[in-house]
Amino acid sequence: GQSLEQPSEVTAVEGAIVQINCTYQTSGFYGLSWYQQHDGGAPTFLSYNALDGLEETGRFSSFLSRSDSYGYLLLQELQMKDSASYFCAVAPYTGGGNKLTFGTGTQLKVEL
Amino acid sequence: DTAVSQTPKYLVTQMGNDKSIKCEQNLGHDTMYWYKQDSKKFLKIMFSYNNKELIINETVPNRFSPKSPDKAHLNLHINSLELGDSAVYFCASSQGGATNTGELFFGEGSRLTVL
Repeated sequence: GQSLEQPSEVTAVEGAIVQINCTYQTSGFYGLSWYQQHDGGAPTFLSYNALDGLEETGRFSSFLSRSDSYGYLLLQELQMKDSASYFCAVAPYTGGGNKLTFGTGTQLKVEL
Repeated sequence: DTAVSQTPKYLVTQMGNDKSIKCEQNLGHDTMYWYKQDSKKFLKIMFSYNNKELIINETVPNRFSPKSPDKAHLNLHINSLELGDSAVYFCASSQGGATNTGELFFGEGSRLTVL
C-alpha cells in the first residue's frame, strides 16, 4: 500500500518562507503532486514533480527525492490568502496512474 | 463556465435513505473520479472511471454505486445511508489519469450529512 505523511499543522508569519514536508512509503509512483484546499473549497492543483529535483512556479516550489522517499512544498513571501490545507499526492504504478493517493494534509496558518 | 460541477452542494438526510450526487465535466477529459473527504480532511479515492468503464473500485461498500452514462458524467448513488457516510464527496476529472501531469480537476464538493 501507500502512505504519505505530512505535519498536521504549520504556522508562519506573513512574508516568511515555509516548507511543508511529505514523507512516503510506496512501492513506486509516476510523480508527486501538491494540492491546496481552502476551507469549504475544492482541492486545486499546485505543482507536479515527475523527476527528482526542484520545480518552481511563482512563489511556490516543490521538490522530490525518490532515493530519500521525501518531497516538500516551499511557499515564499507568504500571504494571508495562503492559509489553507496542503496535500501531497502520488499516482502509484499499481493503480495505472488512475488512483491518485493523497497524504494526510497540512493545515497552514499565516499570521500577521 | 464551471469545469467540474456537482449537484447538490448540500444533502441532509435520515439514516436508511437513498441519495444520489451528480457530476459533469466540460473539459473533454476521459477519466473521472469520486473521492470522499472525512471530518479530518483525509481525501480517499472511491472510484475511477475511464471512458465510462470502471477501473478503480477502492473497496467501497456495495451500497455505493457509481454510474457513468458517458465520459462527461459520473453519478454516485448511495443506498441505505449510514451515519459514517457523512462526509464531503468530491468529483474530479483528468485526461488519461494522473501519470503525466499529476493534475486532477475537482468539483466544489457535495456535503452529505446523515442524521
